[in-house]
Amino acid sequence: EAQVTQNPRYLITVTGKKLTVTCSQNMNHEYMSWYRQDPGLGLRQIYYSMNVEVTDKGDVPEGYKVSRKEKRNFPLILESPSPNQTSLYFCASSSPWQGTTGELFFGEGSRLTVL
Amino acid sequence: AQKITQTQPGMFVQEKEAVTLDCTYDTSDPSYGLFWYKQPSSGEMIFLIYQGSYDQQNATEGRYSLNFQKARKSANLVISASQLGDSAMYFCAMREPTGANNLFFGTGTRLTVIP
Repeated sequence: EAQVTQNPRYLITVTGKKLTVTCSQNMNHEYMSWYRQDPGLGLRQIYYSMNVEVTDKGDVPEGYKVSRKEKRNFPLILESPSPNQTSLYFCASSSPWQGTTGELFFGEGSRLTVL
Repeated sequence: AQKITQTQPGMFVQEKEAVTLDCTYDTSDPSYGLFWYKQPSSGEMIFLIYQGSYDQQNATEGRYSLNFQKARKSANLVISASQLGDSAMYFCAMREPTGANNLFFGTGTRLTVIP
């Protein structure tokens, strides 16, 4: 089954304790991205990657890191989480959009609470 | 400036009636793509429909249609014959031809279908 898998789905942590949210896709997609969803703000892009070893900042990258060492994996790293990073996080992937709709396939989301 | 504007935080519709969810967008590029996603209470993001800026016809997918008015920069989602399962958050999104498949999302509209 084609899917994007995120882990953990739910996490409560404390300020300053480094954490990683993993994301893996089995569709051989080149493009992957992370979004955060906050009430009243919709989804905002954190980082994206167009291919292995190619990453770039989205609209809200502060406090986050990413890496893309393999095509299927795109982990999101919070080196020193703060309460304002409490949010619902989505990983997404897609094939190149030229010639197709290129819709994003989303993971199920990871709800993170930073105390 | 907001690229995507959804002015209806919440909408109600009677079961079996049609409903229109508004979306306006802002871009100076002639080539772009418009998407609608559904987010039920379980949290996952479900792709509904896509409209390319050069598409001559309005997109349709089952009970979903996109009322694309290019001159007005609007891309309203029309859901016909509403069902209880249509109760969800709906997000409009736009992709600009930057080479990356980055989507800009609106703040969403919460639709409630009344029995």
